Amino acid sequence: AQSVTQPDIHITVSEGASLELRCNYSYGATPYLFWYVQSPGQGLQLLLKYFSGDTLVQGIKGFEAEFKRSQSSFNLRKPSVHWSDAAEYFCAVGGYNNNDMRFGAGTRLTVKP
Amino acid sequence: DTEVTQTPKHLVMGMTNKKSLKCEQHMGHRAMYWYKQKAKKPPELMFVYSYEKLSINESVPSRFSPECPNSSLLNLHLHALQPEDSALYLCASSRVPNEKLFFGSGTQLSVL
Repeated sequence: AQSVTQPDIHITVSEGASLELRCNYSYGATPYLFWYVQSPGQGLQLLLKYFSGDTLVQGIKGFEAEFKRSQSSFNLRKPSVHWSDAAEYFCAVGGYNNNDMRFGAGTRLTVKP
Repeated sequence: DTEVTQTPKHLVMGMTNKKSLKCEQHMGHRAMYWYKQKAKKPPELMFVYSYEKLSINESVPSRFSPECPNSSLLNLHLHALQPEDSALYLCASSRVPNEKLFFGSGTQLSVL
């Protein structure tokens, strides 16, 4: 069965600094990979997704992620973090349909002024 | 309209009450989902409707009863809930089952 590991429960970065959130997955076939962001008490918003093709994926709000099959990773990056980026970030892996989608435990991002 | 609308936003109910959560989308999506999310945990899939038919039930207790009256609406009927059912209940939709999910803001449910 597929699974997702987000090794970092909580990360704190200074505003303007770069960010990398880690995600490792386990999936028997070609995975569909997603990053979602959730503000407190809100639903999830899709930042970006990878299905196939170029392994460097651009998303909304200046985020990007790189799929590395050899490392089973799909890390999320942003060159310069803004205070509004403080939120919970979830990596998810799925198959051909969303019935199989599984979310990682999440990484909480705190942004220092 | 790219929204998934959930009502109510907050709900407090006793263990003997019957209540319903509602979800609506007007994007023409043909797959709709209920997720349960406990505090500081990831969302967990409960139900999936694909083309108005229940296609998966992740072994959810019968005190949760989903209903999909039409392609735009999804309900979750609640009866005889337990305090451990207190959570954020998220509705999501996708154009078809294998495309990206659009989430609503959720209903924060407290069972007393």
